[in-house]
Amino acid sequence: DIQMTQSPSSLSASVGDRVTITCRTSQSITRYINWYQQKPGKAPKLLIYGVSSLQSGVPSRFSGSGSGTDFTLTISSLQPEDFATYYCQQIYNTPLFGPGTTVDIK
Amino acid sequence: EVQLVESGGGLVQPGGSLRLSCAASGFSFSRHSMNWVRRAPGKGLEWVAYISGRSDTKYYADSVKGRFTISRDNAKNSLYLQMNSLRDEDTAVYYCARDGNRGGDSDCWGQGTLVTVSS
Repeated sequence: DIQMTQSPSSLSASVGDRVTITCRTSQSITRYINWYQQKPGKAPKLLIYGVSSLQSGVPSRFSGSGSGTDFTLTISSLQPEDFATYYCQQIYNTPLFGPGTTVDIK
Repeated sequence: EVQLVESGGGLVQPGGSLRLSCAASGFSFSRHSMNWVRRAPGKGLEWVAYISGRSDTKYYADSVKGRFTISRDNAKNSLYLQMNSLRDEDTAVYYCARDGNRGGDSDCWGQGTLVTVSS
């Protein structure tokens, strides 16, 4: 089975900061990775699909990159509405979410 | 507007059963595969089950295999999750999610329905 890790598990940042979240898989998943944002009490929201494709309506400050086993979600300039938990998801085989990264206010 | 609305959650005793429903609107339901995803209190997201548009392919997480059954009625634009032999660890908010037809991303989610398994 594919294992997934995310780092960091949490981070504190300020508005305007550049934030990078890393997702690592135990075996190559080529480009089968998505990124989601979830706020407390709300449904998850798709941000990025297929490593780097921006979902319609998602601000361009969000971007994704990587291949193989190492992937990154970057928020170029953190905004107040971006404080949330972020999950990567591999869909190379049976879907699996990473453990999540919580971004809170510094 | 694309919309997914879950229902059927509630309190059930261990060993009991519950059937969740998800009503879809605003898109061609039969053309999209669908998923159930859950989030237990204090934990992260967990994929639960998948069903293709024509119901010819179904997949389940190991944690629910043999206990949960995913199904759909395209004539009613509805998705279902029959949950049997419920355990404490099945307590979670359950979301239905639409597959984006791009290789497995879930591009639209319902608001979730809470299932609590407790005696």
